[in-house]
Amino acid sequence: QVQLQESGPGLVKPSGTLSLTCGVSGDSISSSNWWSWVRQAPGKGLEWIGEMHHRGNSNYNPSLKSRVTISVDESKNQFSLNLTSVTAADTAVYYCARTWSQNGLDVWGQGTTVIVSS
Amino acid sequence: SYVLTQPPSVSVAPGQTATITCGGENIGAKSVHWYQLKPGQAPVLVVHEDSNRPSGIPERFSGSNSGNTATLTISRVEAGDEADYYCQVWDSGSYRVVFGGGTKLTVL
Repeated sequence: QVQLQESGPGLVKPSGTLSLTCGVSGDSISSSNWWSWVRQAPGKGLEWIGEMHHRGNSNYNPSLKSRVTISVDESKNQFSLNLTSVTAADTAVYYCARTWSQNGLDVWGQGTTVIVSS
Repeated sequence: SYVLTQPPSVSVAPGQTATITCGGENIGAKSVHWYQLKPGQAPVLVVHEDSNRPSGIPERFSGSNSGNTATLTISRVEAGDEADYYCQVWDSGSYRVVFGGGTKLTVL
């Protein structure tokens, strides 16, 4: 059974960098799958952040592209999200997910809440 | 950029059928996925590639996709189906995942 688990600080200061990690069990980060990040701000819908393949290819939401980096650590079987220059608008529940057939997201982490505040 | 439009809310009585639509330009040419979100829980993929159910998803959940509208149908609705539902596609024009705005399903 594939499981994903997000981890990272729950509070980030404005203008700082949000850094989260997603640990993967039951699948190899080096498989043919892509690995994604999605967020949901309070009272809002789902927003796709981006995805990465272990071979280094990546795709990002154009609205966030200038601030986002997704990376893969094959030795630890995990992938990470870095979001720079955060503001209160980046306060959200952040989910990691596995990208599956036809770009559906078939396995999701439980989500982690990140609040941007001083 | 590609836009998906969902009704903000749908209400249905227990035992009845809920229909949630997802509109997009020529969406019938894309693969549509549907997710169920309940508060405090991980999103669940309930239909993938228009009409396929992942293992463990009840047969009451079904999907279709044609023209400019994709549809998620939940038959014999139960109280436990109350949740937010999101449709999603891959926009090959801009290389990004696109979500609909979400539909809140209320079981009366």
